[in-house]
Amino acid sequence: DTEVTQTPKHLVMGMTNKKSLKCEQHMGHRAMYWYKQKAKKPPELMFVYSYEKLSINESVPSRFSPECPNSSLLNLHLHALQPEDSALYLCASSQVQGNSNQPQHFGDGTRLSIL
Amino acid sequence: AQSVAQPEDQVNVAEGNPLTVKCTYSVSGNPYLFWYVQYPNRGLQFLLKYITGDNLVKGSYGFEAEFNKSQTSFHLKKPSALVSDSALYFCAVRADTGRRALTFGSGTRLQVQP
Repeated sequence: DTEVTQTPKHLVMGMTNKKSLKCEQHMGHRAMYWYKQKAKKPPELMFVYSYEKLSINESVPSRFSPECPNSSLLNLHLHALQPEDSALYLCASSQVQGNSNQPQHFGDGTRLSIL
Repeated sequence: AQSVAQPEDQVNVAEGNPLTVKCTYSVSGNPYLFWYVQYPNRGLQFLLKYITGDNLVKGSYGFEAEFNKSQTSFHLKKPSALVSDSALYFCAVRADTGRRALTFGSGTRLQVQP
């Protein structure tokens, strides 16, 4: 069982839909991350939140909009996605981002398919 | 800039034999090194990390990794492979200064044959 919970596990949406991915952790971690992973490839960092503030945006298109409502929750709002956005979206958390020697803990991801 | 190389796309080993998954890195400053494993339809699971100190690091499920500063390597090892070890393995590095984002290698698929 993972300590980072992601919902939904699977999501199919059209290019004009709006949906949200959710991530929750109760380990007291103050850094949270969104990654995009294509099949058989490493995760690609999208966003980092540190103390509920956005600290890294890896030049992600604006059709992806992150939100961190509190220290336990992380959302990724999706709008007008493209077929190439189909991927596994992983959430992770860790102790304070600046404490570089702490591992990140990953959820099992949301598998997103864009029709 | 920091980078990680995993030179083997796939490693095949017979059950009961020792296994090695290779990783080399490049980073400015001192490296923090990590190994993760990913099973099908799952997220990444943390196996072990090197921060400082002993060059041989022991982790979960009987895995260990050897840090070699002169060769900038951090190879993952296990004395006796299990079929259940078959999965995708990622090496990752983070510097102790600067941006501090985690950089992953391309991944190595480990196939353990019964």
